[in-house]
This record gives sequence, structure tokens and C-alpha cells, in this order.
Amino acid sequence: KAGVTQTPRYLIKTRGQQVTLSCSPISGHRSVSWYQQTPGQGLQFLFEYFSETQRNKGNFPGRFSGRQFSNSRSEMNVSTLELGDSALYLCASSLGGQGYEQYFGPGTRLTVT
Amino acid sequence: DAKTTQPPSMDCAEGRAANLPCNHSTISGNEYVYWYRQIHSQGPQYIIHGLKNNETNEMASLIITEDRKSSTLILPHATLRDTAVYYCIVRPDNAGNMLTFGGGTRLMVKP
Repeated sequence: KAGVTQTPRYLIKTRGQQVTLSCSPISGHRSVSWYQQTPGQGLQFLFEYFSETQRNKGNFPGRFSGRQFSNSRSEMNVSTLELGDSALYLCASSLGGQGYEQYFGPGTRLTVT
Repeated sequence: DAKTTQPPSMDCAEGRAANLPCNHSTISGNEYVYWYRQIHSQGPQYIIHGLKNNETNEMASLIITEDRKSSTLILPHATLRDTAVYYCIVRPDNAGNMLTFGGGTRLMVKP
């Protein structure tokens, strides 16, 4: 079974631009979560989508948004990029619910200049 | 949410068992203990999870104390490829699939 895939793997953007990252979960998984990892803040939860509905949201500004499609693929968008948004963005998929493990993708490395 | 406390770093000799402790003294009755690890710049990898009983899989064993206030992840025969940051996470029952990562333990396996 194929793992979680994320595209693109690397991205360079300029301050003020916006960016869209994509995540394809493991087949059959209905939950997709997004995380941001920076050297200073570590791994932080952004949001989770389950069956196209946002189920949980972390403490990030409204510039960070996401969505999930009917095939469970998910995208996250960051508008008006800031230098501090430079990070590794990780996506994780799960069957859903409590007690199910999450499987992470390789991440998208975003650099904002 | 239950907080976890882990030592920031540990060393282990290759071939020996690595025992990684985690304190979660405020855990509540229906919260699971999860362990993940992250090898440099890769996505975290699921290792094991448990609720009350000890668990074992092909990667590791998880020992949870009877009062559930602490746990130990055991890698029975550590290899150099086990060098990674190991995260102990307590997952609330009302938070869907949200994982709250702490600082983790940086395990260095040495030849």
C-alpha cells in the first residue's frame, strides 16, 4: 500500500505571496492532519480534516487554511507569506477516530525569502 | 491535556536495549500513550501505542505502569538506524487525531 505523499517536496516563495501544499493520504484513510515543524517551535498541529470537514484546529492565524476533497486528498494554503512561515509542513493520515495511528508523509520544505 | 516529560537526550550502545522513559502523571483514564520517532528531516514514524496494558510489536515494546503515570519504550536491540528523536504523546479522547508533540528524547545509538 502506498504511503502518504506530499507535493511539492521543496518550495521557495517570497514574502507576501501565497502557497498551496497538497497531501494524498493512504488509500482508505479519511482523516488528514497538517503540522508545521520549525527549529524554534518544534512540531505544531495546524488542523485536521475528516470526511471533508475540519474537525480540529490548532493555534495558527487565519492565513493558514485547508480543505479536504471527497477522495480524502487535502490541501493547505498559506496566504500573505511571512519569513516565519519557513518550515517543514507535514501531513499525516489516519483511518480516523481515537486509537488509530497516524502515518506521516515526507513533508514539504517551504522557504520564504 | 496531559503533559509529558522526557529526558532531552540519551545514548545507547549498538545491540543493547534502549529504554526511553516518559512521565505523564496527569493522564486521564481514556487517554492513549503514543510513541513516534523522527529521523532527521523525515516525517515522524509511528512506533506503538497503548492504553493500559503493555504492548509489543515488531519495532518495540511499550511498558505502562499500573497507575499509568509513566511509560517506557523499549527498543530491544538498538541499531545505528534507530538514532532519532523519540516523542511520547498522550492523546486526549476529545481531540480527534490531533497530536501534541513535546521536545522528545534525542536517542544516539553508538557503535
